[in-house]
Amino acid sequence: KNQVEQSPQSLIILEGKNCTLQCNYTVSPFSNLRWYKQDTGRGPVSLTIMTFSENTKSNGRYTATLDADTKQSSLHITASQLSDSASYICVVTNSGGYQKVTFGIGTKLQVIP
Amino acid sequence: GAGVSQSPRYKVAKRGQDVALRCDPISGHVSLFWYQQALGQGPEFLTYFQNEAQLDKSGLPSDRFFAERPEGSVSTLKIQRTQQEDSAVYLCASSLESGRAGSPLHFGNGTRLTVT
Repeated sequence: KNQVEQSPQSLIILEGKNCTLQCNYTVSPFSNLRWYKQDTGRGPVSLTIMTFSENTKSNGRYTATLDADTKQSSLHITASQLSDSASYICVVTNSGGYQKVTFGIGTKLQVIP
Repeated sequence: GAGVSQSPRYKVAKRGQDVALRCDPISGHVSLFWYQQALGQGPEFLTYFQNEAQLDKSGLPSDRFFAERPEGSVSTLKIQRTQQEDSAVYLCASSLESGRAGSPLHFGNGTRLTVT
């Protein structure tokens, strides 16, 4: 069964600090990997997308990495802000047929002052 | 607005009642997905439409769940004879492209269903 596993499940950091979230997947055949940010009570919003040939992509203070050989991805958040408090979900799309995606359960990040 | 719109935002149903959840995708988006998100979990796939065609309904948990998108735009997820285990947030997402492309999913804010 295709799976996406994320760690840690939850994380509390001080405002201004950096953090790294992890994602391991077994989805195959692989098409792309996205990180989504989901604020409480809202739908997820895409932060980054990475395909097989990309190993780093940045979006402001967010930097995602991908190692397609080991099937691992990370999301690094720099100089965290209170507004970064949210769930961060790793989503992997397979390349068979239509855009079928598998979601991780997310990492719940809380940034405190 | 230009985003995916879902209604109602909250729904409380007594066990055994039927409910209908509505999704207005972004205009022109070909693909439409329904997901079920339990508390503290990631979204779980329910069903997928490409225009008006329902190409995959493998995630629907039982025959009490039914989805339609008759004109290829607005979609409705219907749950008959609701049970307590149906309580969850139901998310709708649309994307511009069909097939294997990497276009992002645009999510609505969901309908939170509580079955009492």
